[in-house]
Amino acid sequence: DAGVIQSPRHEVTEMGQEVTLRCKPISGHNSLFWYRQTMMRGLELLIYFNNNVPIDDSGMPEDRFSAKMPNASFSTLKIQPSEPRDSAVYFCASSSRLAGKGEQYFGPGTRLTVT
Amino acid sequence: AQTVTQSQPEMSVQEAETVTLSCTYDTSESDYYLFWYKQPPSRQMILVIRQEAYKQQNATENRFSVNFQKAAKSFSLKISDSQLGDAAMYFCAYRSPNTGNQFYFGTGTSLTVIP
Repeated sequence: DAGVIQSPRHEVTEMGQEVTLRCKPISGHNSLFWYRQTMMRGLELLIYFNNNVPIDDSGMPEDRFSAKMPNASFSTLKIQPSEPRDSAVYFCASSSRLAGKGEQYFGPGTRLTVT
Repeated sequence: AQTVTQSQPEMSVQEAETVTLSCTYDTSESDYYLFWYKQPPSRQMILVIRQEAYKQQNATENRFSVNFQKAAKSFSLKISDSQLGDAAMYFCAYRSPNTGNQFYFGTGTSLTVIP
């Protein structure tokens, strides 16, 4: 099992540019989560999907952020336009109600720097 | 919404000694899961141990064990024979089976292991 795959691992962009983060969950998992981690705010849940359907997006900071899950094996988190305060590590995680105890498995994260 | 509280932002322990990290949570549910995750400097989130609320027996994983007190809503992590590689941020997490697989994370405890 390859685990949760995220790309890119590092992204440096200029303010105002569009940023797209990608995630491939573990095969067979039916829940996918996007988190943001900063020193100031800790680990924040942005949005999560069950069976490709967004369930709770109340953590999405503002309209500049959007997330999609077009199929069970792929999700994107887009920031348009990006701002320096978006600099953070973004994690994707997946889990399954059917496997194990439903623990979340995290990807390695994408470190985003907006200058 | 459920809340998870980790009241110790930082802890330290001498190598080979034992340390206990605290976690409390607030819930009205009777069935749920609890987890401890470790985040070393690499930033990868690693599952350390899990506990089902319906089980009275405390979970153990090698040098890691928990003290689960359901009535007190407490879920502490004990690390025995601490090793340098245990130095990391530790997050306590609660999973509700009734809110679509959503997880609730504490703010984390930074553990330093002193040689």
